Amino acid sequence: LAKTTQPISMDSYEGQEVNITCSHNNIATNDYITWYQQFPSQGPRFIIQGYKTKVTNEVASLFIPADRKSSTLSLPRVSLSDTAVYYCLVGINQAGTALIFGKGTTLSVSS
Amino acid sequence: EAQVTQNPRYLITVTGKKLTVTCSQNMNHEYMSWYRQDPGLGLRQIYYSMNVEVTDKGDVPEGYKVSRKEKRNFPLILESPSPNQTSLYFCASSLHRSWGYGYTFGSGTRLTVV
Repeated sequence: LAKTTQPISMDSYEGQEVNITCSHNNIATNDYITWYQQFPSQGPRFIIQGYKTKVTNEVASLFIPADRKSSTLSLPRVSLSDTAVYYCLVGINQAGTALIFGKGTTLSVSS
Repeated sequence: EAQVTQNPRYLITVTGKKLTVTCSQNMNHEYMSWYRQDPGLGLRQIYYSMNVEVTDKGDVPEGYKVSRKEKRNFPLILESPSPNQTSLYFCASSLHRSWGYGYTFGSGTRLTVV
């Protein structure tokens, strides 16, 4: 199971682009990279998933270099409502029965 | 709307008084799971269920029970709650357990045991 490392916290202002990088040096060949968002006292919510290169949806973009040892979640023009914890997940637990959440990155957006 | 519904949202109870937290999903998902979230410890899996009548322990199952008599419901039972079970609980469901993108979480149940 690949271990992930991401910054504990980040600060930004409204309207800025935010990039959160996650390193996962031991990613396995068949592992996907998934990002979840969690607001205080709410359940995590799926944001985006990718395997390689770039994935974009209406919420975010995910950039994955060729070696796949890291990935960057990009949030364009953040607003106050983007203040949340962002989790980078790689693969699933060894039994294949649970998502493994790390400590995540707490993003604080100010006006 | 596709969702996972947990009840209650907040619960304060006393040590030893049996309680049940309900979880229901309307997406016909086969896989369901319970997590607890504690400061500094993150989200940890309590129990999971692959399908009706199929349940198994996660990482922190002590003090909890579950049942899966119907596909849509997956209640979490605390037979004799203790203060160390004070936590924020989340139920999740997925069409397939290994599809990381497919997990839908409930809004959570904040339990306080005094």
